[in-house]
Amino acid sequence: AQSVTQPDARVTVSEGASLQLRCKYSYSGTPYLFWYVQYPRQGLQLLLKYYSGDPVVQGVNGFEAEFSKSNSSFHLRKASVHWSDSAVYFCVLSASTGNYKYVFGAGTRLKVIA
Amino acid sequence: GGIITQTPKFLIGQEGQKLTLKCQQNFNHDTMYWYRQDSGKGLRLIYYSITENDLQKGDLSEGYDASREKKSSFSLTVTSAQKNEMAVFLCASRVGANTGQLYFGEGSKLTVL
Repeated sequence: AQSVTQPDARVTVSEGASLQLRCKYSYSGTPYLFWYVQYPRQGLQLLLKYYSGDPVVQGVNGFEAEFSKSNSSFHLRKASVHWSDSAVYFCVLSASTGNYKYVFGAGTRLKVIA
Repeated sequence: GGIITQTPKFLIGQEGQKLTLKCQQNFNHDTMYWYRQDSGKGLRLIYYSITENDLQKGDLSEGYDASREKKSSFSLTVTSAQKNEMAVFLCASRVGANTGQLYFGEGSKLTVL
């Protein structure tokens, strides 16, 4: 069975500080991994995705994530957060090609304070 | 670019009522999805459709019906609304069979009185 765990339901950081949002997945095959962001009263938007290759992937707005097969993790990072980064972040897993289903983590609500 | 439009944005119904949510996409995507989002939880799949007139049940399909009469539209019906049905319903779409990015609508919030 596939699963995604985001251990931190809420994270608060100061503006300008660095950020790491954690994601652990469970899947025996080759995972396709995504991070999505949901701003208030909006749908989800893709930040970045990992299919294969370089384990560090770059996304929009200065976000990056690192895939670790040994740790079954796909943590999201940003060097310096802005107040506008306040949102809910979802880690998402899908199996390999031809699969239609996605497994969503419960989300991490990020609050950036002045 | 394209857009996914969900209507209505807010839907208020009575317990036991049949309620329908609509989703339109102009990406020309083959596959469309309906997810339910409850506060503090991840998205859960209700129905998806690989192509026009196709319907596939997700993990949460009981109590819901879906319809995909055109490639661009995907409707979800709550067959008998219950008070614990209050949630946000998100429509999404993607291109074809290969796993790829999902594109989401802004959501429809359902309140059951």
